[in-house]
Amino acid sequence: GPKVLQIPSHQIIDMGQMVTLNCDPVSNHLYFYWYKQILGQQMEFLVNFYNGKVMEKSKLFKDQFSVERPDGSYFTLKIQPTALEDSAVYFCASRRQFSNERLFFGHGTKLSVL
Amino acid sequence: GEKVEQHESTLSVREGDSAVINCTYTDTASSYFPWYKQEAGKSLHFVIDIRSNVDRKQSQRLIVLLDKKAKRFSLHITATQPEDSAIYFCAASSGGYKLTFGTGTSLLVDP
Repeated sequence: GPKVLQIPSHQIIDMGQMVTLNCDPVSNHLYFYWYKQILGQQMEFLVNFYNGKVMEKSKLFKDQFSVERPDGSYFTLKIQPTALEDSAVYFCASRRQFSNERLFFGHGTKLSVL
Repeated sequence: GEKVEQHESTLSVREGDSAVINCTYTDTASSYFPWYKQEAGKSLHFVIDIRSNVDRKQSQRLIVLLDKKAKRFSLHITATQPEDSAIYFCAASSGGYKLTFGTGTSLLVDP
């Protein structure tokens, strides 16, 4: 079936550094998402991106966070600077239509901020 | 905004029995309710969904029920097997951009 790819699978960085998480969404999908999961618990919505713009974001999407997808390449989540509480698994997801359709999730990037 | 509550944090059943996981939501405009399964250390895999124009949907051993008046929906897994053991997440969408997830139910099927 359709796959969302995330690179890398695990990233370890020092607090204060910048990190970029990469996502290759399903090819014909138009809506892209980042979710944050801590310790296998609740999936927390961060941001939704469509047509080059952030359409909706949550309180967890701090000023240090940004997303982009330049020219149809990777959909990225950048955190600059990172904080200890950013340690989590970040899942990218995509879907073709605006709503009422399932999200396809990647395998996640485990971010460890030391 | 939408809040989704998942009532059972853990659930343990014997192999062959049925398992039921219940969720409630707050936004009356919610119209799409998917379920996802997550095995340890892995991603979320879509299991089944239901839209608000129906109140029941079945796919093999999985049944989803939706009660719009009570703002409640549930996942029924019949004839459970050990490989059904995982964390199950319910979610709801009001037709906007985001999917709001419940807190997850850890299902253990004892062989």
